Amino acid sequence: KQEVTQIPAALSVPEGENLVLNCSFTDSAIYNLQWFRQDPGKGLTSLLLIQSSQREQTSGRLNASLDKSSGRSTLYIAASQPGDSATYLCAVRSGNQFYFGTGTSLTVIP
Amino acid sequence: GAVVSQHPSWVICKSGTSVKIECRSLDFQATTMFWYRQFPKQSLMLMATSNEGSKATYEQGVEKDKFLINHASLTLSTLTVTSAHPEDSSFYICSALSGLPSTDTQYFGPGTRLTVL
Repeated sequence: KQEVTQIPAALSVPEGENLVLNCSFTDSAIYNLQWFRQDPGKGLTSLLLIQSSQREQTSGRLNASLDKSSGRSTLYIAASQPGDSATYLCAVRSGNQFYFGTGTSLTVIP
Repeated sequence: GAVVSQHPSWVICKSGTSVKIECRSLDFQATTMFWYRQFPKQSLMLMATSNEGSKATYEQGVEKDKFLINHASLTLSTLTVTSAHPEDSSFYICSALSGLPSTDTQYFGPGTRLTVL
């Protein structure tokens, strides 16, 4: 069974810093990998979707990379802002199943 | 972008009653919808996969007689928590596959907070 792990579990950075969130998965036979943002008590907002054939995706200050063979993905956030504070979840899709990581709680300090 | 709604956004009920949660894809058809459960400070746990016109597929450990799922149309799936108990209190989130060839992205609803007294 696919297992998805995210490190670190929590991260606190001063505003303006660049940061990297990590996601690892045990089974490289994935269809795609998706990064989400979740604000407290809210649903999930999709940030980036990387197909298994792709290496990275970019959207604004966000860049996600995928190394399927090593079972790793990173989410890079440039010039962090207080509004980036949230929990970030990665999820891998294997067939029609989605497996979520445990999340990284990010706090950006003004 | 694709929008998924959930209703109600929060509900408080007495132990022993049943609660129905609706999940709707507002601007696209979703042949597949998913129901998740999330406990505080934990990740999402997939409960079941709902396919339009067929029976839902439940994950191991999820009681199908307690969590009734109906996916009657391409835009609506419902989750009914029957004979709810305090331990069923949780945040329930649905998602829908857009099915668009270019993205095939999973879109999430805003969640429903269930509190069972």
